[in-house]
Amino acid sequence: QVTLRESGPALVRPTQTLTLTCTFSGFSLSTQGMCVSWIRQPPGKALEWLALIDWDGDKYYSTALKTRLTISKDTFKDQVVLTMTNMDPVDTATYYCARILGVYNAFDVWGQGTVVTVSS
Amino acid sequence: QSVLTQPPSASGTPGQRVTISCSGSTSNIGTNSVNWYQQLPGTAPKLLIYFNNQRPSGVPDRFSGSKSGTSASLAISGLQSEDEAEYYCEGWDDSVNARVFGGGTMLTVL
Repeated sequence: QVTLRESGPALVRPTQTLTLTCTFSGFSLSTQGMCVSWIRQPPGKALEWLALIDWDGDKYYSTALKTRLTISKDTFKDQVVLTMTNMDPVDTATYYCARILGVYNAFDVWGQGTVVTVSS
Repeated sequence: QSVLTQPPSASGTPGQRVTISCSGSTSNIGTNSVNWYQQLPGTAPKLLIYFNNQRPSGVPDRFSGSKSGTSASLAISGLQSEDEAEYYCEGWDDSVNARVFGGGTMLTVL
């Protein structure tokens, strides 16, 4: 059974750096075609794609946020970490991690999401 | 402003067939496949359609997808009350080397 679980702080102060961890099971990120991505959703708003890391270590970022984002993986721990610098109240959102299965080329399994509030 | 354009809302009565459109450009829908997700209130999105028109196992055949040129559509036939949800299209955009979502369509079952 494939599962993903997001973890990180619920509250972040403006200008701080957010670090989120996606811990997954049921698949290996070293398998060709596998990717893990981060997506966020501000309250009452649409989904916004943030970043992706693939089995080969290649990384892709949202054009709008690329200067603030870093995605990395720890294959041995089955984790993907996203850092976002210079947090602002507009970054308040539910942050999801999701798997892309190569044969689907779609987000086939999602985590439950973690709510991050940016406030002083 | 989303790269993929969806109508903000759609509605239908039980048993009816409804369609939701997703408009893009040559760099995304025109070149790459489109996926659709269903998000029930308070839950994570769920994959509904991949590769334009393929259903993952467990998704009822009432849901179907299609693509033509730079537009895609999700059709739901035999509408049921439990289909009331937000629906998103998504795909890869070659011009920005990034995945992009539509702005979402809220489907109301009257």
